[in-house]
Amino acid sequence: DAKTTQPNSMESNEEEPVHLPCNHSTISGTDYIHWYRQLPSQGPEYVIHGLTSNVNNRMASLAIAEDRKSSTLILHRATLRDAAVYYCILRPQTQGGTSYGKLTFGQGTILTVHP
Amino acid sequence: DVKVTQSSRYLVKRTGEKVFLECVQDMDHENMFWYRQDPGLGLRLIYFSYDVKMKEKGDIPEGYSVSREKKERFSLILESASTNQTSMYLCASRSDIIGLSETQYFGPGTRLLVL
Repeated sequence: DAKTTQPNSMESNEEEPVHLPCNHSTISGTDYIHWYRQLPSQGPEYVIHGLTSNVNNRMASLAIAEDRKSSTLILHRATLRDAAVYYCILRPQTQGGTSYGKLTFGQGTILTVHP
Repeated sequence: DVKVTQSSRYLVKRTGEKVFLECVQDMDHENMFWYRQDPGLGLRLIYFSYDVKMKEKGDIPEGYSVSREKKERFSLILESASTNQTSMYLCASRSDIIGLSETQYFGPGTRLLVL
């Protein structure tokens, strides 16, 4: 499985933008880039995913480098509720048959948001 | 909203006991997963199921079995609990429908302590 590298921790102030980086230099052409986050005492929740183009949704934006070897999750205005562990995951494109689309979680980035 | 529920948030069992962890999803998803989460090791896939009565081993199936008799329910069984199975257990589900299949939905987790 292709690996991702993220900083162990980052800090931000409330209402400021946050840029969470992820390196994935061994990404294959069919790997999707997924981001999940895990709030304290909860299961992970989906944030966003993309393949080649930048993506936006109500939670965040995902900026993908042109060579796809890195990506950045952007929280436009951090709130205290965004304090969580953020996981960058490469997911192989769903294959036929047992299309379980395995997610391999790394250590993630612990985001601390200061009031 | 998709809901994945797990039967217990906290569980204490003794070594050698048979333990059942239950997971139910309400979105008619084909795929269901069991992970365990440990400090420093991240989330690791134990078993998954892509259909009723179908199951596949994940990365760490030893000491566990699973059952999926109904589409909405996926059970994780510890035949004879051991102290090294003390962990946070997370259930997840995912659709096979194109356009919806990129997101895994996680339950809140069961924190199991084996004494």
